[in-house]
Amino acid sequence: QKEVEQNSGPLSVPEGAIASLNCTYSDRVSQSFFWYRQYSGKSPELIMSIYSNGDKEDGRFTAQLNKASQYVSLLIRDSQPSDSATYLCAVKNPRRGSTLGRLYFGRGTQLTVWP
Amino acid sequence: KAGVTQTPRYLIKTRGQQVTLSCSPISGHRSVSWYQQTPGQGLQFLFEYFSETQRNKGNFPGRFSGRQFSNSRSEMNVSTLELGDSALYLCASSLEGSSQETQYFGPGTRLLVL
Repeated sequence: QKEVEQNSGPLSVPEGAIASLNCTYSDRVSQSFFWYRQYSGKSPELIMSIYSNGDKEDGRFTAQLNKASQYVSLLIRDSQPSDSATYLCAVKNPRRGSTLGRLYFGRGTQLTVWP
Repeated sequence: KAGVTQTPRYLIKTRGQQVTLSCSPISGHRSVSWYQQTPGQGLQFLFEYFSETQRNKGNFPGRFSGRQFSNSRSEMNVSTLELGDSALYLCASSLEGSSQETQYFGPGTRLLVL
């Protein structure tokens, strides 16, 4: 079983719509959760981090964490064509690998926002 | 603050050769992690260094090695290159690599093995 799983997509939404990206993780002791955005040919850049159950909002982005269901999501409101990218879910798991400096990544969901 | 820098940005090598990639973390960051990204496998963890010590290692063969210097700069080396080593190699830095710290990625080194 993979540590982190995401819907591979691709996900296509019209401009102005809400894009919903989902991620599940396998190990209940996972502590920290991150969403990165990666444009084609570029490196990942952090969008959101979340550590506690519930919602965390930052501008048009909302991260949601449900540790009981081992589920984390990212909502993008008022989607723009510039949001078209691959979104990577990443998890830190203190049980695996002794230190906390390792991120486990999902395979990413490719999002296209069309005008 | 300057971001994470990686050199070179692009490399073309042939099978059997070796390659060294360099990463300079954000000033003050002491944890440096390396990842390999391929279309088939996604982002996979190679290793992490902190204070010149390897703290964690992913499931890669011994051909992949790394080190960190006293100024936190890090290098990774791949010996006896194989076609499958063609990938984007990313380094990421954080202050100490602790649980809630964000890892900031460099632009990557794109390696093509012919």
